[in-house]
Amino acid sequence: DAKTTQPNSMESNEEEPVHLPCNHSTISGTDYIHWYRQLPSQGPEYVIHGLTSNVNNRMASLAIAEDRKSSTLILHRATLRDAAVYYCILRDWGSGGGADGLTFGKGTHLIIQP
Amino acid sequence: DGGITQSPKYLFRKEGQNVTLSCEQNLNHDAMYWYRQDPGQGLRLIYYSQIVNDFQKGDIAEGYSVSREKKESFPLTVTSAQKNPTAFYLCASSMAGDYTEAFFGQGTRLTVV
Repeated sequence: DAKTTQPNSMESNEEEPVHLPCNHSTISGTDYIHWYRQLPSQGPEYVIHGLTSNVNNRMASLAIAEDRKSSTLILHRATLRDAAVYYCILRDWGSGGGADGLTFGKGTHLIIQP
Repeated sequence: DGGITQSPKYLFRKEGQNVTLSCEQNLNHDAMYWYRQDPGQGLRLIYYSQIVNDFQKGDIAEGYSVSREKKESFPLTVTSAQKNPTAFYLCASSMAGDYTEAFFGQGTRLTVV
């Protein structure tokens, strides 16, 4: 899987929007962009994923650059419960079938100030 | 409720003993995975299985073993050959296909003394 680059940490205020960036300059045409988050002492949970178009769900929005070399996870109104480590991951659906595991980097530690 | 269950949440073992971590899912997922997480680090893949009776080594398989005799179950054994077994272990499952989401258990924190 291609590599992603994220800031080590970010800080935001409660009830404000949060934009978490991810760079993936070596992304291939068959890579999906996935985001997961991990709360302290818990397993990661899926947030959102996309291929080319921007995506929205109840948790967040995913904005994908036109050249797909970067993406941004948007939390529209952060709460204290959104404090977690956020991972940006690329998954190649053209890799021959079968799931060979997600490759997690260190992610971005999001701190929410009350 | 459908989900993936790991047990126990905390586990203590003496050095030199083998220990088996349980992972069960009732999501009817074909693929299952085991990860290890050390403090302040990301997740590293130990083993994964795409189908019953088949599994593949991940990035850090040395000192670990797995079995996949049933679709629902993917136990991980941490053997005495694992040099630094103290860690947070996470199990996950997903449908086949690289674009699908993975579901994670709550993890088992293993401490070897």
